[in-house]
Amino acid sequence: NAGVTQTPKFRVLKTGQSMTLLCAQDMNHEYMYWYRQDPGMGLRLIHYSVGEGTTAKGEVPDGYNVSRLKKQNFLLGLESAAPSQTSVYFCASSPHGGNSYNEQFFGPGTRLTVL
Amino acid sequence: EDKVVQSPLSLVVHEGDTVTLNCSYEVTNFRSLLWYKQEKKAPTFLFMLTSSGIEKKSGRLSSILDKKELFSILNITATQTGDSAVYLCAVNFGNEKLTFGTGTRLTIIP
Repeated sequence: NAGVTQTPKFRVLKTGQSMTLLCAQDMNHEYMYWYRQDPGMGLRLIHYSVGEGTTAKGEVPDGYNVSRLKKQNFLLGLESAAPSQTSVYFCASSPHGGNSYNEQFFGPGTRLTVL
Repeated sequence: EDKVVQSPLSLVVHEGDTVTLNCSYEVTNFRSLLWYKQEKKAPTFLFMLTSSGIEKKSGRLSSILDKKELFSILNITATQTGDSAVYLCAVNFGNEKLTFGTGTRLTIIP
């Protein structure tokens, strides 16, 4: 079991460039999440998915898009990167969401710098 | 608005000391409270609390929830340098999401 994996681990972009972050989980979890973590801000939810083919906005969705075409994968896209999107991005998955008490399992993170 | 507040923001203690970390929340529809430890990379799960007054223990770490006063504490006894980390508190407010606090950065001095 690899758990939750993220690619790439590091990336440097120029303002205006686009990129996609990939999250994969092999635990057959229904729920998947994308967070960003900035100094002093804790983890903030960008988008999440409660199942294959579904997505929903979190706390800070602007500038990001997501897709969940397969249950095991959750993609986070930046169409036109901005310096304010410099952050560490974490993906997480959970067997269920609000109707049960399962914790979220986190990937190792992607450090993104936008110049 | 669902809100989670952790205190202190940072804490520096000597090895062997006991520390208490705090997490309070404003509730609309509380379901569970979770503690995570974050070293250099991904947060790792420590405890999940759903009922008041029931202590969860794992080695030198323990945690308890007070649903009446809307807070939880995480205790670490006989601290070691390996306990140095950011400790995150998160609350499930009855939906698919967790709301995280900003974390407490704990530093253990040898």
